[in-house]
Amino acid sequence: QVQLQESGPGLVKPSQTLSLTCTVSGDSISSGAYYWSWIRQPAGKGLEWIGRIYASGITSYTPSLRSRVTLSVDTSRNEFSLKLNSVTAADTAVYFCARGTFREDAFDIWGQGTMVTVSS
Amino acid sequence: QSALTQPASVSGSPGQSITISCTGTNSDIGNYNLVSWYQQHPGKAPKLIISEANKRPSGVSDRFSGSKSGNTASLTISGLQAEDEADYYCCSYTGSYSVFGGGTKLTVL
Repeated sequence: QVQLQESGPGLVKPSQTLSLTCTVSGDSISSGAYYWSWIRQPAGKGLEWIGRIYASGITSYTPSLRSRVTLSVDTSRNEFSLKLNSVTAADTAVYFCARGTFREDAFDIWGQGTMVTVSS
Repeated sequence: QSALTQPASVSGSPGQSITISCTGTNSDIGNYNLVSWYQQHPGKAPKLIISEANKRPSGVSDRFSGSKSGNTASLTISGLQAEDEADYYCCSYTGSYSVFGGGTKLTVL
C-alpha cells in the first residue's frame, strides 16, 4: 500500500530555512489522479494547510505563507519537499505530508508527521 | 483566508448521535462540494472519514455521515462509541487552495 514518510531536521534556528522531504513508497508519485500536500499542526492547535504540488511541478500555497514557502517534487526519487524560509517560533509544529485526490480534493493518505522546533 | 468555523467541543453518551457543524463562506463551502472531514486521535495523523461533503471512503463506519447546506457542512456520528472520542476537522477547497476548520474535540461521556 502507499505510504508517506517525512524526514528532515527536528530543530531549526530562527531566521533560517526549514527543509523537509516526504518520500512516497508503494506507488509512483507521478501515477494516478493525485497531488501532494504539506499540512502542519502546532502543539495543541488545529491543522493548517500549507500547500500542494502536482507531479508536473504546478504549485498552490496558502495566502498567509505564500511569501515564505516553496514546494518542489523529484519524480526520479519519488519524493516531494517543503522549504519554509525566515522561520520564527510560530513555525514550530508537527509537519505532515499527505496525498490529495483530484476529484474529491481530500487527503486520503498521510505521513506520520515530524516535529520541527524553531529555537536558538 | 480565515479558517472554517467549528465548535470547540461537543459531547455525547454512548449510543447517542452528535453533529458537528463547519461554517464557511460563499468562497469555499458555499461554492464547492469539496468538503472533507478528518478524525484525529492524540499523537496520530488525521484519518479521512468523509469526502465530497457526504461520501464515505471504503472502510469507514457507516455511523459517520456528512451533509452540506449553503455555507455550512455537518458531520453526524450516530451510535457513539468510546473509540469515537477524538478531534474532528473539516476542510474545504476554495478555488485555489484548501482551508481547514479549527477543529472540534468530541468527548464520549
